[in-house]
Amino acid sequence: DTAVSQTPKYLVTQMGNDKSIKCEQNLGHDTMYWYKQDSKKFLKIMFSYNNKELIINETVPNRFSPKSPDKAHLNLHINSLELGDSAVYFCASSQAGDRDRYQPQHFGDGTRLSIL
Amino acid sequence: RKEVEQDPGPFNVPEGATVAFNCTYSNSASQSFFWYRQDCRKEPKLLMSVYSSGNEDGRFTAQLNRASQYISLLIRDSKLSDSATYLCAVNIFTGGGNKLTFGTGTQLKVEL
Repeated sequence: DTAVSQTPKYLVTQMGNDKSIKCEQNLGHDTMYWYKQDSKKFLKIMFSYNNKELIINETVPNRFSPKSPDKAHLNLHINSLELGDSAVYFCASSQAGDRDRYQPQHFGDGTRLSIL
Repeated sequence: RKEVEQDPGPFNVPEGATVAFNCTYSNSASQSFFWYRQDCRKEPKLLMSVYSSGNEDGRFTAQLNRASQYISLLIRDSKLSDSATYLCAVNIFTGGGNKLTFGTGTQLKVEL
């Protein structure tokens, strides 16, 4: 029944490692997003994909590489993890055409990434 | 200036009180507006969309003032369960996708 699910829920790893977070939505939405929420609780968009095509890339370091194998999945791979990458990463989805501007985004329950 | 600004609070109010939050946005091209609620260590969840004419959902009333570029949320008869962080979000449609920008959130604590 989970609408937007992401795995893992917790990720503890060392600086310099490479890790991936997976996200899947079963809402039939055409657009998916990755957000980062830092220690000050500021929630900021990183990427959005519409039907597997990158739409928004908010000047995120190129160590972060999103991949969308189909419109129901958006994964996030992070290379050479740094201390500043510690945060909660949220996946979200929505219908996102010009006529869908009032459609809300639905969030997954987050992946808590801690870099040692 | 931040794109979306909110008073971080915390707002500490007694049960039954009425509390109001404001949010200002800087981009006049913003097209749609939302209030999300986020509980501690949980994901943001949509509380309500904000329409131009204002809208109400039970104890919650949202207003939009496009001329002054602010939105507001009024909570009447506060419950303990209303304690959470309230995030204002502003949407712009940009070439194929909706970009949602969040404020930093206003923390509400409802006390006995």
